[in-house]
Amino acid sequence: NAGVTQTPKFRVLKTGQSMTLLCAQDMNHEYMYWYRQDPGMGLRLIHYSVGEGTTAKGEVPDGYNVSRLKKQNFLLGLESAAPSQTSVYFCASSYEREDSDTQYFGPGTRLTVL
Amino acid sequence: RKEVEQDPGPFNVPEGATVAFNCTYSNSASQSFFWYRQDCRKEPKLLMSVYSSGNEDGRFTAQLNRASQYISLLIRDSKLSDSATYLCVHLGYNKLIFGAGTRLAVHP
Repeated sequence: NAGVTQTPKFRVLKTGQSMTLLCAQDMNHEYMYWYRQDPGMGLRLIHYSVGEGTTAKGEVPDGYNVSRLKKQNFLLGLESAAPSQTSVYFCASSYEREDSDTQYFGPGTRLTVL
Repeated sequence: RKEVEQDPGPFNVPEGATVAFNCTYSNSASQSFFWYRQDCRKEPKLLMSVYSSGNEDGRFTAQLNRASQYISLLIRDSKLSDSATYLCVHLGYNKLIFGAGTRLAVHP
């Protein structure tokens, strides 16, 4: 099992450009999450999904969109990147609810917006 | 006030030392607590869950103090490989709330 994978690992964007981050898991998990991690702050939840075809907003959803067309994939989109979106993005998945099951994280995507 | 507060450290300790971290939380209704470990430039990984009665896993002991709203992590006989950032996590309003982490550096 590869677990949770993320592509790309690194990316540099110019302000206003768009991009999509891909998260894939091969553990047949129902729940998937996108977080961002900034220096001196804890991970913050951007969006999450409780199953194929469903998405919901997290703590910091503005400027991001997500889609879960297939159970194993969770995409995070930035339509018009801003320097404030420079961060490390982590995807995670869990079999059951986040409060009763371990979340498994991907290796992260380091995004810089100039 | 942050929902989860941790001393950022770093805690610099020699091999073999015992070290303890505390983490305070503001939501008194929180039911689930966890410690995650994050190595430099890597993803977080679950270290252990924290139960009301406390729990131990080898050299690691986690405890919950609901009255004072804090959880603790004790590491005995520190190893060089314990060097990492330890994230305090609790379940708040149906989502996990992560602390910013406490950095531990174990030296020879």
